[in-house]
Formats: sequence, C-alpha cells, structure tokens
Amino acid sequence: AQRVTQPEKLLSVFKGAPVELKCNYSYSGSPELFWYVQYSRQRLQLLLRHISRESIKGFTADLNKGETSFHLKKPFAQEEDSAMYYCALLRDDKIIFGKGTRLHILP
Amino acid sequence: GAVVSQHPSWVICKSGTSVKIECRSLDFQATTMFWYRQFPKQSLMLMATSNEGSKATYEQGVEKDKFLINHASLTLSTLTVTSAHPEDSSFYICSARVPAKNIQYFGAGTRLSVL
Repeated sequence: AQRVTQPEKLLSVFKGAPVELKCNYSYSGSPELFWYVQYSRQRLQLLLRHISRESIKGFTADLNKGETSFHLKKPFAQEEDSAMYYCALLRDDKIIFGKGTRLHILP
Repeated sequence: GAVVSQHPSWVICKSGTSVKIECRSLDFQATTMFWYRQFPKQSLMLMATSNEGSKATYEQGVEKDKFLINHASLTLSTLTVTSAHPEDSSFYICSARVPAKNIQYFGAGTRLSVL
C-alpha cells in the first residue's frame, strides 16, 4: 500500500535544540511528498514540498530514496514551532496524510 | 497564498437531521476539491474527491448516500451529512487544489456535533 508513516506521536524538544520529525513512505515510482503544519486553533497549511527544495521557517526536508524517508529537520527549535506536523504523499492526485507528530518545544 | 473558506465553523444538530457544509475557494477557481474527516487527536482521513460538473469519487468505506457532495461551480463544493447520527460527530475539513499545481489549500474546518 502507498502510504506515509510517522512513527512518533509526540516529540518534545528543548528550545534551541535540533529537531527531526521522522517520515517514511511506501510508494512505487517517484513520490511527491509534503510536510503540512497545523498550529493551535489554526487551519492546516503547507510547510514545504520536496520538489521545491526550499526552506520555510528554518525547516528543511530531504527525500532519501534509499531509506524511503522524508524527515523534517530544523537546527534550532523555537517555541513558536510547537504544532502538529503531518507528512503527506500525493497518490492518484490526492494528498494522503500520515498520522501526524505533535512537536512540543520546551522552554 | 490562496484562501479557502468553510462554513459553518461549528454546527450542532439533532439526530436524524441533515447538515450542509460549504467550501469556497475565494480567489481562485478549483475544479477539484477534497473532503476530509478528522477524529480527535487523529489524522485527516480523505472521504471523497469533489469534481466540478461531475460526480464525486468516494474513498473505500465512505457511504456516498450518507455524505452527499455537490460541486456545482468552480468555487463551491458542499458536503451534506444526511440523517446525521452521533457517530457522525467529527471535524470535517475541505481543501481546494490550485489548478495545474499539486498544492492544496485547506479550509478552517467544521465541527459537527450530533445530539
């Protein structure tokens, strides 16, 4: 089955420490992957997509085809990064979400 | 970015009644919109793809007679939960795809509570 897996439900990181949110995918062919973020009481919004290879709010994600991973990273966590993060895969023109990881930044 | 408006943001209804949720793309035309359902502390589950001018396509396990979708114009899709029951209580989220791009913009969601 073509899907994304986020193994961590909750990740707590101290402010200033590096962040890595894990995402692994299962897909035959060349996947198109995304990271979406949902801040408290706000709508879901696109954080980044692998084909644009850009850095948003200091976050980056590299597609590793060998490990079938698309981990989200940030070198120094900030308190405003606390949110729910979803890894997503484009499948048959539809976006399919992983279960999400709640990132909690500790002061 | 593009704006997707969803209305109402919260609705409470009695069991057995029907509820309509609207999803509008405000500054772009969307031939394709999507409806998701999100249970508390869980991920978004795709329910159906709404196609302008044609029938919606439903994901496996989603009752099309229960969740009626109409996409009558390029900026509006509606989801009607028919004969709602308490188990239909959930957070419903729509999204609209920007034409020619694989980017979806999301509505703020509708919380449905069925008494």
